[in-house]
Amino acid sequence: QVQLVQSGAEVKKPGASVKVSCKASGYTFTGYYMHWVRQAPGQGLEWMGWINPNSGGTNCSQKFQVRVTMTRDTSISTVYMELRRLRSDDTAMYYCARDSAFSMVRGDMGTWGQGTVVTVSS
Amino acid sequence: QSALTQPASVSGSPGQSITFSCTGTSSDVESYNVVSWYQQHPGKAPKLIIYEVSKRPSGVSNRFSGSKSGNTASLTISGLQAEDEAVYYCCSYAGSNTWVFGGGTKLTVL
Repeated sequence: QVQLVQSGAEVKKPGASVKVSCKASGYTFTGYYMHWVRQAPGQGLEWMGWINPNSGGTNCSQKFQVRVTMTRDTSISTVYMELRRLRSDDTAMYYCARDSAFSMVRGDMGTWGQGTVVTVSS
Repeated sequence: QSALTQPASVSGSPGQSITFSCTGTSSDVESYNVVSWYQQHPGKAPKLIIYEVSKRPSGVSNRFSGSKSGNTASLTISGLQAEDEAVYYCCSYAGSNTWVFGGGTKLTVL
């Protein structure tokens, strides 16, 4: 079955970087775009961006364009999201979520990872 | 992009029908038939329940339905059940291959 397994919780200091991984299984990794979505404690969902695992192409919300890099390693069916210059308000659960459409980005995220908690604290 | 506008909370009794609203702008909801809805139970990842305004993924109950008029999308749950108690988020395409979520609506089943 389609599954996304994310890396474990992280605690970082302000100004540092964090890199979250998302390992996919149960489907053709390069066939489906992957989104990143975050959720601050007690808050709503916030779309961050997507990566095309086939080409490596990415697109980000303007809010994150300067601080976020999304990459992939097709040999291990894994995508990564790196967030730099962390601030306390980056404390959140970070999810990867697979787009449901094959070979295109349609925005309906049908499969989600379990989430990775990132805590930013001095 | 600004978040789509959703009421903070709604409530209903078992068996009732309830409708959630999601208000956007001419830059997102109004211009594209690319609105999806997600259900999130506490401590869980979101679950896709509606995509492309009114389509249901395989396995999602037909008690869930979606629609759109102008800059407002709507999700209706019919025959409300206790297990429907959750937070519901809308999400719309916002142009330039970007997406935007609403703030979420907490559903309480009385």
